[in-house]
Amino acid sequence: EDQVTQSPEALRLQEGESSSLNCSYTVSGLRGLFWYRQDPGKGPEFLFTLYSAGEEKEKERLKATLTKKESFLHITAPKPEDSATYLCAVRSGGTDKLIFGTGTRLQVFP
Amino acid sequence: KAGVTQTPRYLIKTRGQQVTLSCSPISGHRSVSWYQQTPGQGLQFLFEYFSETQRNKGNFPGRFSGRQFSNSRSEMNVSTLELGDSALYLCASSPPDNEQFFGPGTRLTVL
Repeated sequence: EDQVTQSPEALRLQEGESSSLNCSYTVSGLRGLFWYRQDPGKGPEFLFTLYSAGEEKEKERLKATLTKKESFLHITAPKPEDSATYLCAVRSGGTDKLIFGTGTRLQVFP
Repeated sequence: KAGVTQTPRYLIKTRGQQVTLSCSPISGHRSVSWYQQTPGQGLQFLFEYFSETQRNKGNFPGRFSGRQFSNSRSEMNVSTLELGDSALYLCASSPPDNEQFFGPGTRLTVL
């Protein structure tokens, strides 16, 4: 069964304290892994798409990486405005559905 | 380019009623997907429409239905509302490649 697991569920960081969020997945035929950011009461905002192991994408303080079993979202020197829930999703080649993890709630304190 | 728009943004209904939610995709996007988001279950896939045809469907009861019009706008309907249907309903549209872009959602409260 296709499955996405994110860890940790919640993460509290001091401003400037770098860390990583994990997304592990089992899927029949990966057709893309996606990272989204979601602020309270809003829809998810697209961040990155990764398609194959070894691929990396960067945007400001965020960097996403992909292996055959998991993806990491690295946050370098985070700021309070990076506080949000970060969602990971995979598109299954078997079902063609987008399957979401339950997210990591990140809080960055000044 | 304007983003995905959803109406209404907030809705309060009582058990047994029905509700229709609307979604206008980004111009040029022909695929529209619907999701239900709750604190306990996260984002759950409802269905996907492409060129007025349902292309994929999640594991929700038949009370949940949708449709897509020729201009790619989409509606979803929930009949015989239950308390457990209270959630944020999100619509997402896609270009020919893979990324989905989400609207702000409709917050449905069932009393």
